Amino acid sequence: DTGVSQNPRHKITKRGQNVTFRCDPISEHNRLYWYRQTLGQGPEFLTYFQNEAQLEKSRLLSDRFSAERPKGSFSTLEIQRTEQGDSAMYLCASSLASLAGNEQYFGPGTRLTVT
Amino acid sequence: GENVEQHPSTLSVQEGDSAVIKCTYSDSASNYFPWYKQELGKRPQLIIDIRSNVGEKKDQRIAVTLNKTAKHFSLHITETQPEDSAVYFCAASRRDDKIIFGKGTRLHILP
Repeated sequence: DTGVSQNPRHKITKRGQNVTFRCDPISEHNRLYWYRQTLGQGPEFLTYFQNEAQLEKSRLLSDRFSAERPKGSFSTLEIQRTEQGDSAMYLCASSLASLAGNEQYFGPGTRLTVT
Repeated sequence: GENVEQHPSTLSVQEGDSAVIKCTYSDSASNYFPWYKQELGKRPQLIIDIRSNVGEKKDQRIAVTLNKTAKHFSLHITETQPEDSAVYFCAASRRDDKIIFGKGTRLHILP
């Protein structure tokens, strides 16, 4: 499969625990985005990288959230001290930044449930 | 920042009829407008997009229109089929920037 992949697909954790998600983008894509989607809503932007540089972080991303893309390939999103309000689908998308546009392709998501 | 409004939130059409979903955006610098289809439990899938240098784009039964002056864009699905049932999201972005999504339209195709 040459699309965007995410692991794990599901994560159940107890409040206060730390969790880490991984995203592997389409191999030639230089941009990687994280979004969060709650039931009945559209995806909400969290942060994005161009290669290894984190270019923007949403105000939604509290200091409990951190994202990395150390070698400009895969990315990790860590949530520390999880809260029930963190329960959501975490989506990763990738694109090839170019003059032509910004077609973003999504991974299957990681569904987080905080109990 | 950008704000995307989408209407209606739910739409039911008879199979074979057309469906229209409308969106507005606020940031005049936005120049890329994708549409995503999301089936239950699955990832959003890009179905069509339009850039600000064109007013209309068509791909088989799907067409999008863009009115930059009014900051409106729309998705038109003709000859709807049962497999068109899903949630559709409009979105807007500046080139190479984050995508801002609307809240979605749940489309039901009635037999």
